[in-house]
Amino acid sequence: NAGVMQNPRHLVRRRGQEARLRCSPMKGHSHVYWYRQLPEEGLKFMVYLQKENIIDESGMPKERFSAEFPKEGPSILRIQQVVRGDSAAYFCASSPLGQGQFFGPGTRLTVL
Amino acid sequence: AQKVTQAQTEISVVEKEDVTLDCVYETRDTTYYLFWYKQPPSGELVFLIRRNSFDEQNEISGRYSWNFQKSTSSFNFTITASQVVDSAVYFCAPSTGANSKLTFGKGITLSVRP
Repeated sequence: NAGVMQNPRHLVRRRGQEARLRCSPMKGHSHVYWYRQLPEEGLKFMVYLQKENIIDESGMPKERFSAEFPKEGPSILRIQQVVRGDSAAYFCASSPLGQGQFFGPGTRLTVL
Repeated sequence: AQKVTQAQTEISVVEKEDVTLDCVYETRDTTYYLFWYKQPPSGELVFLIRRNSFDEQNEISGRYSWNFQKSTSSFNFTITASQVVDSAVYFCAPSTGANSKLTFGKGITLSVRP
C-alpha cells in the first residue's frame, strides 16, 4: 500500500504566479488534511477535506488560497499570486475514518 | 481551542542514553486524542503514536514508551538506549477528535551523538 504522495516535491515560483500542490491520499483514505510549515513558526493546520467537501478551513488564509478534493483525482492546494511569505513546506496527510493522520513527504515551495 | 507546550527546544544526548521528551497540553474537551510525530532531517513526518483520552495505560513499542498522565495533562515520550538514527524533531499534537485537525507543538530537536 503506497503512502501519501505529494507532487511536486519542490516547486519554484516567481512572485505573482500560481502554485498548485497535489496530494494523493493512501488507498482507502477518504480524509485529507493540509498543513504548512513556515520557518520559525512550526506546523500549522490549513484545511480538512473529504471527497468533494471542505470540512474545516479554519486555518486557511482568507485570500489567494483554496483547496479541493474532487470525487476523482488528487486533492489540490492552490495558491494564487504567490508572495515571498508563502515560501514554506506544505504537507498533506490522509486518514481513514477514526484513525491517525499519515503524512506525505511534503512540497517545498520557494517564491523568488 | 487546544494548546500544546513542548518546553524543551533542543536536547543533545550521547548514544545509548535514555531521553524523555515532554509534552503538556491544554484542552477543554472531555474527549480528545494525542499524537506524536517524528520529523527526521530528510523532512518527512512519521507517525509514532495515537492515544485517546480514555486510555491512560502507558504504551511501549520497542525502545519507545509513552507516559500519559491525564491529571497533569502530560503525554511524555521516552526513548530508551537512544541511537543516532533517533536524531530528529519530535512533535506532540493534540486533537479534539479522531478526524479533527492536529495542533502541533513547536517541536523538540533531538540530537544523538555517537
